[in-house]
Amino acid sequence: AQSVTQPDIHITVSEGASLELRCNYSYGATPYLFWYVQSPGQGLQLLLKYFSGDTLVQGIKGFEAEFKRSQSSFNLRKPSVHWSDAAEYFCAVGAWYSGGGADGLTFGKGTHLIIQP
Amino acid sequence: DGGITQSPKYLFRKEGQNVTLSCEQNLNHDAMYWYRQDPGQGLRLIYYSQIVNDFQKGDIAEGYSVSREKKESFPLTVTSAQKNPTAFYLCASSMSGAGNQPQHFGDGTRLSIL
Repeated sequence: AQSVTQPDIHITVSEGASLELRCNYSYGATPYLFWYVQSPGQGLQLLLKYFSGDTLVQGIKGFEAEFKRSQSSFNLRKPSVHWSDAAEYFCAVGAWYSGGGADGLTFGKGTHLIIQP
Repeated sequence: DGGITQSPKYLFRKEGQNVTLSCEQNLNHDAMYWYRQDPGQGLRLIYYSQIVNDFQKGDIAEGYSVSREKKESFPLTVTSAQKNPTAFYLCASSMSGAGNQPQHFGDGTRLSIL
């Protein structure tokens, strides 16, 4: 079964500084990878997704992520954060099992992003 | 606009009471999911359904029940057997249950014990 690890529970970044949130996955084949953002008291919103091809994926709100197979990573980046980026960020991996079934997505436990003025 | 509607936004349960959380989608998605979210625990899958009249248990199904009588609706009942129901509940849907399908989320229901 697949799994996702987000090593950082909390990250504090100054407004205007760059951001990188880490995500490591475990899966035997090429994974489908996603990043979601959750504002307090809200549902999750899809930021970007990776299926295949170009390993650098562009998403909404100025975010991008890079798939590195050798490191089993899919880190999320933004060159300059804004106070409105303060939220919870979730990485997720999807898999299609060879048995013909499917089991949706597996989510990491999230990284809480705090923006300092 | 298409989306997922969860209601109510806040819900209170008395001891020994069953409560039902509503989830409706107009995205014409086949698959629907229920997650429970607790601080520091991420999302934990309660139940999922890939097609009408069929559903499977997720990782923490004990104390919960679901039905999928219509494609657009996937209500979750929190039964009295669930001894620690206080949490934020999220409903999601996707075009199919395949792992390459992004999930779309509702805005959640916060359940508390009276």
